[in-house]
Amino acid sequence: KQEVTQIPAALSVPEGENLVLNCSFTDSAIYNLQWFRQDPGKGLTSLLLIQSSQREQTSGRLNASLDKSSGRSTLYIAASQPGDSATYLCAVRRGGTSGSRLTFGEGTQLTVNP
Amino acid sequence: NAGVTQTPKFQVLKTGQSMTLQCAQDMNHEYMSWYRQDPGMGLRLIHYSVGAGITDQGEVPNGYNVSRSTTEDFPLRLLSAAPSQTSVYFCASKTRGASYNSPLHFGNGTRLTVT
Repeated sequence: KQEVTQIPAALSVPEGENLVLNCSFTDSAIYNLQWFRQDPGKGLTSLLLIQSSQREQTSGRLNASLDKSSGRSTLYIAASQPGDSATYLCAVRRGGTSGSRLTFGEGTQLTVNP
Repeated sequence: NAGVTQTPKFQVLKTGQSMTLQCAQDMNHEYMSWYRQDPGMGLRLIHYSVGAGITDQGEVPNGYNVSRSTTEDFPLRLLSAAPSQTSVYFCASKTRGASYNSPLHFGNGTRLTVT
């Protein structure tokens, strides 16, 4: 059974700092990995999706990397801003069929202090 | 641009009551799904659908029913609510396309309390 772990559970940093969020998964046979952002009382917003054949994806100040063999992904946030404060979740997809499911981590709650 | 719309936002039920959580999307997505989010458990898949008339069970389907009569709507029914169903429920959709490398779009959730 796939298990996804995110460490740390919470992180507080000063504005402007570069930071890394970690995601690890136990079964390396994944189809893709997604990073989501969740604001309090809101749903999840997809940030980046990395296919199993890719090593990284970038969007603005965000960069996500994937190392399938070691079962790890990182989300790098450059020059953090207070507006980046949210919970960040990663999720792995097992296969490329309609029945394959996303397994979510519990998230890292990020606070960026002005 | 509405995206995925869930109603209601909040609901309190008594044990044994039934209700339907509504989900609608206006992106013409074939795939729709329901998740529940609980502290310490993360998000877990309840039911999903790959198109109108097609539904299937996810990881935690017991106590829930779904149907998909149109592409746009995917309601979730609780037949006899139990305190263990107290949770935040999210509906999510995505396009199927030629591969499964398209992102999920989530609604804002329904916070359900069963007393």
